[in-house]
Amino acid sequence: SSDLTQPPSVSVSPGQTATITCSGNEVGKTFASWYQQRPGQSPEMVIYQDNQRPSGIPGRFSGSKSGNTATLTITGTQAMDEGDYFCQAWDSDTVSFVFGTGTKVTVL
Amino acid sequence: QVKLQESGPGLLKPSQTLALSCSVSGAPLTGGAYYWSWLRQPAGKGLEWIGRIYTSGNTNYSPSLESRVSIYLDMSKKEVSLKLSSVTAADTAVYYCAREAPTRAHDFWGRGILVTVSS
Repeated sequence: SSDLTQPPSVSVSPGQTATITCSGNEVGKTFASWYQQRPGQSPEMVIYQDNQRPSGIPGRFSGSKSGNTATLTITGTQAMDEGDYFCQAWDSDTVSFVFGTGTKVTVL
Repeated sequence: QVKLQESGPGLLKPSQTLALSCSVSGAPLTGGAYYWSWLRQPAGKGLEWIGRIYTSGNTNYSPSLESRVSIYLDMSKKEVSLKLSSVTAADTAVYYCAREAPTRAHDFWGRGILVTVSS
């Protein structure tokens, strides 16, 4: 299985909306999760089961899915949201996880 | 609060076996519907899933690493261990352990440990 496809980078002004897509066959077959990774830190789950937000994750983070594409939206982006974002899905054919190529979010 | 802490050698020579441990606190190692996973991330690159072990001891491994990897539980130490044989420079990465929830999302992660393979 190959990596899920994400845009390499997204730039957004403070207070605006950042949208990150994640495409791949595995996304259409199972739930997608999203992880935020700030510089020098380990990943943190921000969305699971396509659109569920863990406790402690701000409401400005939301997820959705249509067909083979999952989308992470950050509404009212803040400077602290800068970092790399990765999507993840389960590949039932190979019984393994696949990750997205990663998107670097820059808040200008 | 679940806490995971990776430990092990940070420097290996090519052809050696990588052996890492992940100490788990704040959650039982067995008895719940959780998997314990190992993942890695080369510098400046994306995440790669290595494999996982269920509380029953059942394992799944990445197809690309399956011939070289093993993951096991040490109940007495409350640790999840990883072994990766015949390492090369391509195995240089930060290695993370993480808990996989029934939702198939990794909800808790360790801080990671850098492993460098160099002669």
